[in-house]
Amino acid sequence: GAGVSQSPSNKVTEKGKDVELRCDPISGHTALYWYRQRLGQGLEFLIYFQGNSAPDKSGLPSDRFSAERTGESVSTLTIQRTQQEDSAVYLCASKASGSPDTQYFGPGTRLTVL
Amino acid sequence: GENVEQHPSTLSVQEGDSAVIKCTYSDSASNYFPWYKQELGKRPQLIIDIRSNVGEKKDQRIAVTLNKTAKHFSLHITETQPEDSAVYFCAARNRNSGNTPLVFGKGTRLSVIA
Repeated sequence: GAGVSQSPSNKVTEKGKDVELRCDPISGHTALYWYRQRLGQGLEFLIYFQGNSAPDKSGLPSDRFSAERTGESVSTLTIQRTQQEDSAVYLCASKASGSPDTQYFGPGTRLTVL
Repeated sequence: GENVEQHPSTLSVQEGDSAVIKCTYSDSASNYFPWYKQELGKRPQLIIDIRSNVGEKKDQRIAVTLNKTAKHFSLHITETQPEDSAVYFCAARNRNSGNTPLVFGKGTRLSVIA
């Protein structure tokens, strides 16, 4: 079946503008994760959703970052009043519930804040 | 919370030689340890994983070893080829804590020189 998809693939914005990034997880995957990867760096956890439970927002770097997910479908990550340090690749991953352990990543959205 | 350290940050080997990447983790409750390969501009992809009930797992030229007492695990690539050049990330999580996110190391950039 289709893998995790993300849009847009690239986003260039001006400092101070808001951006929305979209993630379509693998159908049926109850867990969805957002990570940030700065250039040449590792994967930094931002937020994760598990079914209808309250999301774990412990990785969000500031209150300018928020995310939503409706049920077990699409998620959007919103960054308000973007700053240059927000420039990074934003990766989404999804995982099936229960014992399967594998997280499958999307191709990412490369965000550049000018 | 969990903390994963990964070494080395860069590694160059001659084609045909072996490569070893090492990770340590801090949370003794972690029991799932995947390795992801990320080629330039691509999404991270799972290449091998190990659970804490085994000490070693092999898949063709790739193997992972786990020492739970010392809280470290390693990736071994034998007979390296140019297409093995990529950034490799180790990660850890506790499978018994639901679908909590992976905690990643900072990555190792492997260059295989032909």
